[in-house]
Amino acid sequence: KQEVTQIPAALSVPEGENLVLNCSFTDSAIYNLQWFRQDPGKGLTSLLLIQSSQREQTSGRLNASLDKSSGRSTLYIAASQPGDSATYLCAVRPGGGADGLTFGKGTHLIIQP
Amino acid sequence: DVKVTQSSRYLVKRTGEKVFLECVQDMDHENMFWYRQDPGLGLRLIYFSYDVKMKEKGDIPEGYSVSREKKERFSLILESASTNQTSMYLCASKNDLSDEQFFGPGTRLTVL
Repeated sequence: KQEVTQIPAALSVPEGENLVLNCSFTDSAIYNLQWFRQDPGKGLTSLLLIQSSQREQTSGRLNASLDKSSGRSTLYIAASQPGDSATYLCAVRPGGGADGLTFGKGTHLIIQP
Repeated sequence: DVKVTQSSRYLVKRTGEKVFLECVQDMDHENMFWYRQDPGLGLRLIYFSYDVKMKEKGDIPEGYSVSREKKERFSLILESASTNQTSMYLCASKNDLSDEQFFGPGTRLTVL
């Protein structure tokens, strides 16, 4: 059964730093991987989706990479801002036709002003 | 932008009540999903639907049913609510081309 792990569980950094969030998954047979952010008490906002055939995707200050064979993805946030404070979730869509996502438990990120 | 709306942000029900959670999307997506989110357990898939009147069980379907009578609307039903169904319920809709899932704001359900 696919398991998704995110490290660290929590992270606090000063404003302006570049940072990396990690995601690992146990079964490399995935269809794609999606990164979300969640603000307290709210729904999820989609950030980036990487297809299994891709190595990375970029959106503004965010860059996500995927190494399917080793079961890893990273989310790189450049020049962090207090507004980036949120919980970041990684989710994989397993291969084999399954449609639902399997989620990690998230990284709670605090950017100190 | 895709918009996914859920009928209630907060809901309080009593044990044994029948509960309906409604989700509507405005992008003509074929696929819709219901997840629940609990501290320490993360998000888990309850049910999904890939077309009108079609449904598939997710990882934790016990105690729940769903209804999809129209393409834009996907309902989650708790036939007889129990305290262990107190949770945050999140609905999602999927872009059929990009495979990206878009989530609603969530319904925080408390069962007393």
